[in-house]
Amino acid sequence: GAVVSQHPSWVICKSGTSVKIECRSLDFQATTMFWYRQFPKQSLMLMATSNEGSKATYEQGVEKDKFLINHASLTLSTLTVTSAHPEDSSFYICSAHPMDRGTDTQYFGPGTRLTVL
Amino acid sequence: GESVGLHLPTLSVQEGDNSIINCAYSNSASDYFIWYKQESGKGPQFIIDIRSNMDKRQGQRVTVLLNKTVKHLSLQIAATQPGDSAVYFCAEMYGNNRLAFGKGNQVVVIP
Repeated sequence: GAVVSQHPSWVICKSGTSVKIECRSLDFQATTMFWYRQFPKQSLMLMATSNEGSKATYEQGVEKDKFLINHASLTLSTLTVTSAHPEDSSFYICSAHPMDRGTDTQYFGPGTRLTVL
Repeated sequence: GESVGLHLPTLSVQEGDNSIINCAYSNSASDYFIWYKQESGKGPQFIIDIRSNMDKRQGQRVTVLLNKTVKHLSLQIAATQPGDSAVYFCAEMYGNNRLAFGKGNQVVVIP
């Protein structure tokens, strides 16, 4: 299989606080993981590429100082939303690209619903 | 920035009928395409993929067609079932394995 988990599945926080979301590949290793954001009834928008052992690569318009990404191991990437505001409320989804499986397929986590009050 | 539109195109289909979902992609250099299914409140689930050196690929009850001339993908679902109700996204892979997702199509299966 190729299972990706996210924690927490949902979180509510106060404006100005920071929130950390974890993405784990459970049965495979991934040098590359990706973070997406999805607003209601819209498509997934790629925010950044998380690279194990090096800095993340951010898409145009995504603030790297606001969305901190750490890819600490081959099975874990974290996204920290710093100083969250209500407009950051969204569904955050990660995906992972398995190493050494000869496939380009990415496997997605179940998502984390962030609500900022 | 994010799209302003809040209404997904919706396909209503009778249970047992075939469904066809269409998608236009933007980059003629893309060489790998994937269809994902997303149920409410969940992450995308892989359905089927196709490389640009093919124009058709079949899976279990699903077929993907690729027309590179007009940059068009379609997903056909045979004998649509209530469990097929979801939002379907096409995605194209571009530099460094990144995915660009299409706008999505809502499929509603009528029992």
